[in-house]
Amino acid sequence: AQTVTQSQPEMSVQEAETVTLSCTYDTSESDYYLFWYKQPPSRQMILVIRQEAYKQQNATENRFSVNFQKAAKSFSLKISDSQLGDAAMYFCAYRSVFNQGGKLIFGQGTELSVKP
Amino acid sequence: EPEVTQTPSHQVTQMGQEVILRCVPISNHLYFYWYRQILGQKVEFLVSFYNNEISEKSEIFDDQFSVERPDGSNFTLKIRSTKLEDSAMYFCASSEWEEGNQPQHFGDGTRLSIL
Repeated sequence: AQTVTQSQPEMSVQEAETVTLSCTYDTSESDYYLFWYKQPPSRQMILVIRQEAYKQQNATENRFSVNFQKAAKSFSLKISDSQLGDAAMYFCAYRSVFNQGGKLIFGQGTELSVKP
Repeated sequence: EPEVTQTPSHQVTQMGQEVILRCVPISNHLYFYWYRQILGQKVEFLVSFYNNEISEKSEIFDDQFSVERPDGSNFTLKIRSTKLEDSAMYFCASSEWEEGNQPQHFGDGTRLSIL
């Protein structure tokens, strides 16, 4: 069974600085999808960025980028020029290509605080 | 931007009672999901639903749980005889397609408290 691990329960960053959130996963599959979701205090989870495992190029969405290391089974999220609105719980998630039901497997989450 | 909406935001129920959690997925979405998050734990998959059938369910989704799409807009999760350990935040999600990289859009969640 696949698992996702986020080893940093809490992280803090100064406004305008860069922070990296870690995520590792365990799978025997060669193709899959990885996601980062953000959950602000208002509770709704919002997709931040996604990565297909067959793509070598790291995904980027504006200030958000990932460092996808397939061999190491690592999928970290880098937030550049951090803003106060980035403060939230961040979840890493895995989805199997072979899973027809669409199940997402989540990590424990990392709570990010942004200091002004 | 279209959103997934869930009602109620907080539900308090006596143990042993039935509870129905309601969700209105995004209108053109075809795939629907329920997840739960017990306080301090991971978000866990419960069930996925497509074309009026369950596509996949987890071990958590036992006989006390059921899902239904009673009309063209609502998607419900019923817990028949609630237990203390059912206390959690329940999230509904929907996606347009089943393709793996399609994002699931989540609602704000319903906090279920069993007394």
